Amino acid sequence: EIVMTQSPATLSVSPGERATLSCRASQSVSSNLAWYQQKPGQAPRLLIYDASTRATGAPARFSGSGSGTEFTLTISSLQSEDFAVYYCQQYINWPLAFGPGTKVDIK
Amino acid sequence: EVQLVESGGGLVKPGGSLRLSCTASGFTFSTYNINWVRQAPGKGLEWVSSISGSSTYIYYADSVKGRFTISRDNAKNSLYLQMNSLRAEDTAVYYCARVGSGRNFDYWGQGTLVTVSS
Repeated sequence: EIVMTQSPATLSVSPGERATLSCRASQSVSSNLAWYQQKPGQAPRLLIYDASTRATGAPARFSGSGSGTEFTLTISSLQSEDFAVYYCQQYINWPLAFGPGTKVDIK
Repeated sequence: EVQLVESGGGLVKPGGSLRLSCTASGFTFSTYNINWVRQAPGKGLEWVSSISGSSTYIYYADSVKGRFTISRDNAKNSLYLQMNSLRAEDTAVYYCARVGSGRNFDYWGQGTLVTVSS
């Protein structure tokens, strides 16, 4: 079973600043990794899949990188609507697994 | 427009049963794998179960194996989750989610809340 971890648990950022979120897998997932954004009271929304491909409708300020066991989600310039919880998910093996999430809040 | 709408949640006693439904529209339902993902109050996301388009391949998380059963009716564009022997730790919002490329989830429903409590 692959275990996903994310850091930091909470990231305090000012609007307009860059945010860098990390995700680590307990074993290689190659590029089979997705990132989701979830706002309070809403369902998650797919942002990035295959580690670095932006999903339809995801703004260009969101970018993903990494492969194997280390991954990064970068938000180039935080907008007010970006304050949310972000989850990574591996989909190379069953059981599918999410990380515990990183909350991005306003500094 | 792709839409997934869950229903069937509610309050149930420990040991009880509940059947969730997810009705899909806006895409060819039978050609997509669909999953259930849950989220306990204030917690993160947990994958629960997956079913392929033709119901050939079915997978479960260990936490629900033997208690939950996933199924689908492609003629009705519907997905189901039969939940038996419910426990307090099954309390969560249950989402149905369509699988995009790979096994990530490109569309999600709004979720339905299941509360297991005496």
